[in-house]
Amino acid sequence: GEQVEQLPSSLIVQEGASVLINCSYTDSASVYFPWYKQEPGKRLQFIIDIRSNMERKQTQRLTLLFDKKTKHLSLHITATQPGDSAIYFCSASNYQLIWGSGTKLIIKP
Amino acid sequence: ETAVFQTPNYHVTQVGNEVSFNCKQTLGHDTMYWYKQDSKKLLKIMFSYNNKQLIVNETVPRRFSPQSSDKAHLNLRIKSVEPEDSAVYLCASSYLDRAGNTLYFGEGSRLIVV
Repeated sequence: GEQVEQLPSSLIVQEGASVLINCSYTDSASVYFPWYKQEPGKRLQFIIDIRSNMERKQTQRLTLLFDKKTKHLSLHITATQPGDSAIYFCSASNYQLIWGSGTKLIIKP
Repeated sequence: ETAVFQTPNYHVTQVGNEVSFNCKQTLGHDTMYWYKQDSKKLLKIMFSYNNKQLIVNETVPRRFSPQSSDKAHLNLRIKSVEPEDSAVYLCASSYLDRAGNTLYFGEGSRLIVV
């Protein structure tokens, strides 16, 4: 079945730096790729998504890139803030949503 | 307020007891889900349910069962808890869309089995 791999598993950066989170999937039939964020003690929340007919999507400080040939996604966060500290999950959907193992991001003030 | 509401937030119980977690969504969605999030934060789908279909993850032990009275409510019952059931249980809802749709999550129900 579909597998979603996410790297790195954890990341510590200084406030203001940019970060890159990588995600790869195995099922070429996957068409929808949402990302979620889980801040400490808070609910999991949707942050950005992309569909397989797109290559790039941007919202505020988030840019999501998608390469259908290599089955690879990358989430770029610019100008990081302490509030960006969270676990970030990528996922892939071909009707059923399969989740990556998460990337724990810590922003040092 | 429109959101996904879970109760209780926290529950401690002994091995062998029965536990129920309640979930209600006021977003008007037609599909609800239960996820298990373990101590490493890994997410595993347990059930998804809409008016027409219950989909059960085949890896879920039979002591777990979903209970729904209508499309806004999906409860989770654990008949006889085991230590490995200690986790955070997340309820979510969405519109059913085979092409993919945004999930809205509750705050979670933490279960500790002693």
